[in-house]
Amino acid sequence: EVQLVQSGAEVKKAGESLKISCKASGYTFTSSWIGWVRQVPGKGLEWMGFIYPGDSDTRYSPSFQGQVTISADKSTTTASLQWSRLKASDTAVYYCVRVRDGDYSDFDYWGQGTLVTVSS
Amino acid sequence: QSALTQPPSASGSPGQSVTISCTGSASDIGFSNYVSWYQQHPGKAPKPIIYQVTKRPSGVPDRFSGSKSGNTASLTVSGLQAEDEADYFCSSYRSSYGGNNNRVVFGGGTKLTVL
Repeated sequence: EVQLVQSGAEVKKAGESLKISCKASGYTFTSSWIGWVRQVPGKGLEWMGFIYPGDSDTRYSPSFQGQVTISADKSTTTASLQWSRLKASDTAVYYCVRVRDGDYSDFDYWGQGTLVTVSS
Repeated sequence: QSALTQPPSASGSPGQSVTISCTGSASDIGFSNYVSWYQQHPGKAPKPIIYQVTKRPSGVPDRFSGSKSGNTASLTVSGLQAEDEADYFCSSYRSSYGGNNNRVVFGGGTKLTVL
């Protein structure tokens, strides 16, 4: 059974750094794209980017390029999303997602979400 | 402002059918058949219900169906049930031709109310 289990909620201050994680299991981690989707409370979904752990090829949405870093650790089958300097506008729920095999944009498995709260 | 346009709300009575539209452009919905729909209940993660325009993941009732015409995709929920009340989001692959690297775009979401 495919599972994406994310790290717990975080409360941070603006300017601080943060790394949240997503532990993948139940499939070959290096053979599927895995990425992140943001949802500001009460708002819609935004694709942030994804990575192919097999060769670390990474694609970012233009809206998030330079703002976050997506990485993957093959040894622990864990994907991560990192900020160097958080802003209050980063307050949101972040979902880890897997791209369906044979597809380019469908997310067939979702993590439970990680709420990140950034105070100014 | 979302890349794909959905109506903010839709409604229907139990047993009725309701259709939700999702309008994009020739660079996304009109470009390929990589269109998906997700259902999200309050406080929960989105759940995939349609992929590649018309396909249903295992376990999704056949009351949910998808279609596409030109730059507009649609989700139809037939035989509405109380548990169908949720937010619905469409998404699409967007071609990078032209230099835009925005590979996946979402609609703003539609809140479906079962009256």
